[in-house]
Amino acid sequence: QQPVQSPQAVILREGEDAVINCSSSKALYSVHWYRQKHGEAPVFLMILLKGGEQKGHEKISASFNEKKQQSSLYLTASQLSYSGTYFCGTEDDYKLSFGAGTTVTVRA
Amino acid sequence: EAQVTQNPRYLITVTGKKLTVTCSQNMNHEYMSWYRQDPGLGLRQIYYSMNVEVTDKGDVPEGYKVSRKEKRNFPLILESPSPNQTSLYFCASSFKGHFTEAFFGQGTRLTVV
Repeated sequence: QQPVQSPQAVILREGEDAVINCSSSKALYSVHWYRQKHGEAPVFLMILLKGGEQKGHEKISASFNEKKQQSSLYLTASQLSYSGTYFCGTEDDYKLSFGAGTTVTVRA
Repeated sequence: EAQVTQNPRYLITVTGKKLTVTCSQNMNHEYMSWYRQDPGLGLRQIYYSMNVEVTDKGDVPEGYKVSRKEKRNFPLILESPSPNQTSLYFCASSFKGHFTEAFFGQGTRLTVV
């Protein structure tokens, strides 16, 4: 079952912050985050494992709350290069299911 | 260079004509999978393989077949394509099935008319 992402889209000016949320109806042991730029393949950002560990990639960080079955991705001081569609992925046994994606547009 | 290679990148075919999309990885990964990407629906897993000769259904397996005879290759077969299989397809591989980064191929844009 696909996780649910929100919002569907967000528009930012350079330097602004944004949060993307990912939730699941099933118990989570890990959450993946990927970014896909237009016309390209998805690229790995980070994996968060059960335990609430926060991770970072450039000025992009994420948190994972397994009790609430949620993860959040934080885009801090956004740059033009952050534009793209962000997907969260959740593992269920050996299946990896992705959310519908959040399209982020960063404008100068 | 570590990579996942899909072929062809673009394909237009007619309803009912069998086709195969190839996927190959050079990273000695155990886990491989196929996804389709449609607007508003994100990436949906079609099939996955945990190792050679071990495959299982993802969320949307109907109308597709796969095989894993060698570790590096994981072809996607459409025995009788239909227009609703028009989509962007991605192959991905990872070291193992759990908690590891997935590497994606460049995608295959399939149009079935």
